[in-house]
Amino acid sequence: KQEVTQIPAALSVPEGENLVLNCSFTDSAIYNLQWFRQDPGKGLTSLLLIQSSQREQTSGRLNASLDKSSGRSTLYIAASQPGDSATYLCAVRLAGANSKLTFGKGITLSVRP
Amino acid sequence: KAGVTQTPRYLIKTRGQQVTLSCSPISGHRSVSWYQQTPGQGLQFLFEYFSETQRNKGNFPGRFSGRQFSNSRSEMNVSTLELGDSALYLCASSLDGRGKLFFGSGTQLSVL
Repeated sequence: KQEVTQIPAALSVPEGENLVLNCSFTDSAIYNLQWFRQDPGKGLTSLLLIQSSQREQTSGRLNASLDKSSGRSTLYIAASQPGDSATYLCAVRLAGANSKLTFGKGITLSVRP
Repeated sequence: KAGVTQTPRYLIKTRGQQVTLSCSPISGHRSVSWYQQTPGQGLQFLFEYFSETQRNKGNFPGRFSGRQFSNSRSEMNVSTLELGDSALYLCASSLDGRGKLFFGSGTQLSVL
């Protein structure tokens, strides 16, 4: 059974800081991994998707990396802004037909002005 | 291009009642999946439908059911509501069920 862990549960940083959010998973036979952002009371917005054959993906100030062998992914946010304050979740899909997505519980990020 | 639409946005029900939630996926997306989100358990997978067939199911009791129509719209039904069913119910769509997921804003269900 795939387990996805995100530690710490909450993080507070000053504006402008570069930061790294971590995600670990127990089963390395994955198909892909996605990072999402969720604002309070809202749905999830997909930020980056990394296929199992890829090592990283970039979008603007965001960079996500994947290391299957160690069961880890990181989301790097450059020059953080107050608007980045949200909960960030990673989700892993195992390889194999009809596999489901398993989510971590998320990291709630607060960027202080 | 319209996003994923979930209705209603908020629902208040009492124990024992039943409820139906609706989800309209992005045009062209054939996969619709449903999730329950609570502060304690996080996001938990309920089920996925692809071209009107249930392709995968999570570990929820039979009171939770769903279906998908030929236009890919999906409904989720919860019968005999319990207090513990209070949660944000999220629907997501994707082209093939394995790629990028697009979520709706969710339905906030409160069971009194």
